[in-house]
Amino acid sequence: EAQVTQNPRYLITVTGKKLTVTCSQNMNHEYMSWYRQDPGLGLRQIYYSMNVEVTDKGDVPEGYKVSRKEKRNFPLILESPSPNQTSLYFCASSRGPNTGELFFGEGSRLTVL
Amino acid sequence: QQPVQSPQAVILREGEDAVINCSSSKALYSVHWYRQKHGEAPVFLMILLKGGEQKGHDKISASFNEKKQQSSLYLTASQLSYSGTYFCGTEMGKNFGNEKLTFGTGTRLTIIP
Repeated sequence: EAQVTQNPRYLITVTGKKLTVTCSQNMNHEYMSWYRQDPGLGLRQIYYSMNVEVTDKGDVPEGYKVSRKEKRNFPLILESPSPNQTSLYFCASSRGPNTGELFFGEGSRLTVL
Repeated sequence: QQPVQSPQAVILREGEDAVINCSSSKALYSVHWYRQKHGEAPVFLMILLKGGEQKGHDKISASFNEKKQQSSLYLTASQLSYSGTYFCGTEMGKNFGNEKLTFGTGTRLTIIP
């Protein structure tokens, strides 16, 4: 089954404790992206990747890091989480940025205390 | 810069029609439409590329006026299953060195029996 898998789905952590949200897709997609969703603000792009070893900032990259060492994986790293990073995070992938459907993962709800 | 969606919310009775608008202050290469049901990930509806074509499937269609940098999503004879939040996403395209997909803040559509 074609899918984008995120882990963990739910996480409560404390300020400053490094964490990684993993994202994996099994569709051989070149394009992957991370979004955060907050009430009233819609989906805001954090980082995106056009292909392996190619990443670029989205609209809200501060406080986040990403890497794309393999085509299928695109982890989101919070080196020192802060409460303003409490949000619902979505990973998504597609064949390319203008080639149509973005497939979203089920989301990861992160709470930073 | 996020595209602007209107209205922010709309309540309809089953069978009524709805129009959701999406506008940008910048020239666009493509417009994407997604629907998100409560507690779920966004799901792709359609993509419209520069050229002004209108697309649709079933009773949901969309248009893209590139001169006005606007897109409209049309839902005819709405069904209960159409309820959810609709997001438009816009891209300026490779020529502008920008392949980010930027989403609007969403339009919440509620269909009542």
